[in-house]
Amino acid sequence: GAVVSQHPSRVICKSGTSVKIECRSLDFQATTMFWYRQFPKQSLMLMATSNEGSKATYEQGVEKDKFLINHASLTLSTLTVTSAHPEDSSFYICSAPKKDGTGGYTFGSGTRLTVV
Amino acid sequence: AQSVAQPEDQVNVAEGNPLTVKCTYSVSGNPYLFWYVQYPNRGLQFLLKYITGDNLVKGSYGFEAEFNKSQTSFHLKKPSALVSDSALYFCAVRDMGKAAGNKLTFGGGTRVLVKP
Repeated sequence: GAVVSQHPSRVICKSGTSVKIECRSLDFQATTMFWYRQFPKQSLMLMATSNEGSKATYEQGVEKDKFLINHASLTLSTLTVTSAHPEDSSFYICSAPKKDGTGGYTFGSGTRLTVV
Repeated sequence: AQSVAQPEDQVNVAEGNPLTVKCTYSVSGNPYLFWYVQYPNRGLQFLLKYITGDNLVKGSYGFEAEFNKSQTSFHLKKPSALVSDSALYFCAVRDMGKAAGNKLTFGGGTRVLVKP
């Protein structure tokens, strides 16, 4: 249980275009979704926290207008990288707290974004 | 603020030998501690967690970790490493203090290389 499905797994886009990444909670309602970015051989850095029905909370240094986060329903959160540039190329991962009382988290499988 | 340190960027071990991956943490309240493993271009797989109870936690794939409150450590161990254990390992902490919310903070990651 508590599965988060993340799509696409890989995407290549041209500079200046926008890319949308989706994370769906398949068997539970995710009121909160965390979005992380991971550079090669580095740790996961929290970008923002989305909450269903309200504005996302962004970490310091993360551009809100560049990384648009929407959490319009209890089962879907999206991250849109707008006007992508090569430096936005990275691995993006979403995560939601489990609702089973264990205090654990479930992670999406990640999206490898390459901007050319 | 909560933080996690993994002092070793890489750990090399021969197959069959014991494996230890170090982790220390800092929180203002009580910690939830987690270990995750990541294979190339994949999301994170849960190994084990400590919330309360016995300091020695047993997890997936033969891994275990020991919570040491006085040393603020949560080292990951496996008695006999396998080549298939070669991967990137992350320690993470959640501060259970009310003001901290439910954010998960990750260490920098430790690459484990198990040689045949």
